[in-house]
Amino acid sequence: GEDVEQSLFLSVREGDSSVINCTYTDSSSTYLYWYKQEPGAGLQLLTYIFSNMDMKQDQRLTVLLNKKDKHLSLRIADTQTGDSAIYFCAEASRGKLQFGAGTQVVVTP
Amino acid sequence: ETGVTQSPTHLIKTRGQQVTLRCSSQSGHNTVSWYQQALGQGPQFIFQYYREEENGRGNFPPRFSGLQFPNYSSELNVNALELDDSALYLCASNVPDGELFFGEGSRLTVL
Repeated sequence: GEDVEQSLFLSVREGDSSVINCTYTDSSSTYLYWYKQEPGAGLQLLTYIFSNMDMKQDQRLTVLLNKKDKHLSLRIADTQTGDSAIYFCAEASRGKLQFGAGTQVVVTP
Repeated sequence: ETGVTQSPTHLIKTRGQQVTLRCSSQSGHNTVSWYQQALGQGPQFIFQYYREEENGRGNFPPRFSGLQFPNYSSELNVNALELDDSALYLCASNVPDGELFFGEGSRLTVL
């Protein structure tokens, strides 16, 4: 079946890099996404990667995709307190998004 | 600002009642999807509408139904509410194969 898994919690010091990991199971996924959700808010698309790419960089964000292992990661460089939020990875398959349970990132001063 | 607006933002209902949630999409976005996000979980796909027809459904019972209108608005209806229906309901719109734009959600509490 389809399943997306993420670690539940990450604590990081301000200025350090954060790495959030995700595994998925559907090999037919066309796109993989990272969303950010702040308390009481909706989902904000951070970045996405096509399934035929292995890396994408967008300012402080770097996405790495290992398609063989079905592993996706999001690296946030120079993490700031405003990066504290829940981060969801999602795979696009058959016209819908399948989300993980989210990783809560807490940035400490 | 995603251009997708949802209403109401919060509402409280009792078990057994019915609820209608509304979504207004960006002009030109003829695909709309609805997701349910229970507390502490990721969003779960409910269904998708394309040009006013249901175009895919997740693992939700028939008491969850929807409508899509030609003016890029849509509705999610839930009948016979249960306590477990308490969640944040997210609407997302897109052009086919394009980026999904999410609204801020409607938070439903069932007592």
